[in-house]
Amino acid sequence: NAGVTQTPKFQVLKTGQSMTLQCAQDMNHEYMSWYRQDPGMGLRLIHYSVGAGITDQGEVPNGYNVSRSTTEDFPLRLLSAAPSQTSVYFCASSYQGDTEAFFGQGTRLTVV
Amino acid sequence: EDQVTQSPEALRLQEGESSSLNCSYTVSGLRGLFWYRQDPGKGPEFLFTLYSAGEEKEKERLKATLTKKESFLHITAPKPEDSATYLCAVRSNYGQNFVFGPGTRLSVLP
Repeated sequence: NAGVTQTPKFQVLKTGQSMTLQCAQDMNHEYMSWYRQDPGMGLRLIHYSVGAGITDQGEVPNGYNVSRSTTEDFPLRLLSAAPSQTSVYFCASSYQGDTEAFFGQGTRLTVV
Repeated sequence: EDQVTQSPEALRLQEGESSSLNCSYTVSGLRGLFWYRQDPGKGPEFLFTLYSAGEEKEKERLKATLTKKESFLHITAPKPEDSATYLCAVRSNYGQNFVFGPGTRLSVLP
């Protein structure tokens, strides 16, 4: 049972480039979320989805885009990378919105 | 606005030296309080969920408790493998998702 799988684990981008962070879960969870983690600030919610075809913004959505075409996949797109988006990104899934979340291993992104 | 703070920011203990981590929260109706453990370079790993004041949960050397304003994670006779960052998160009745605290970085020295 793989749980939540994120790719890539590391990425370096130049300012202005775009890319997609991949997230897949095999637990048939309806809820999926993307967080970013910065030193001293905790995990902050970027976007989330309560099911296929439904997405909504979190606390820090600017510069990011998401879609949810299947229950399993929830990719995060950086439209035009900026140095302020240098961070560690985590994808999470949960059975319901108020049950425990299962996290992926993270993607460490550096924008130069 | 839902808020979570954690103290201390960092804690160093000798092996066997028991202590507690604090999570203080402000929410508009608590739906659940969650504790996670995070090892360096990895994603958070779920430990406990607490739903109402007075509730307690235990797992090996860890015990989590909850009041109306805060939660404590008690660590009894810790071992070096307990070294990690411990994260607290809340879900309110009106919030859209979890709100996480900044974490407490625990180091247990042999």
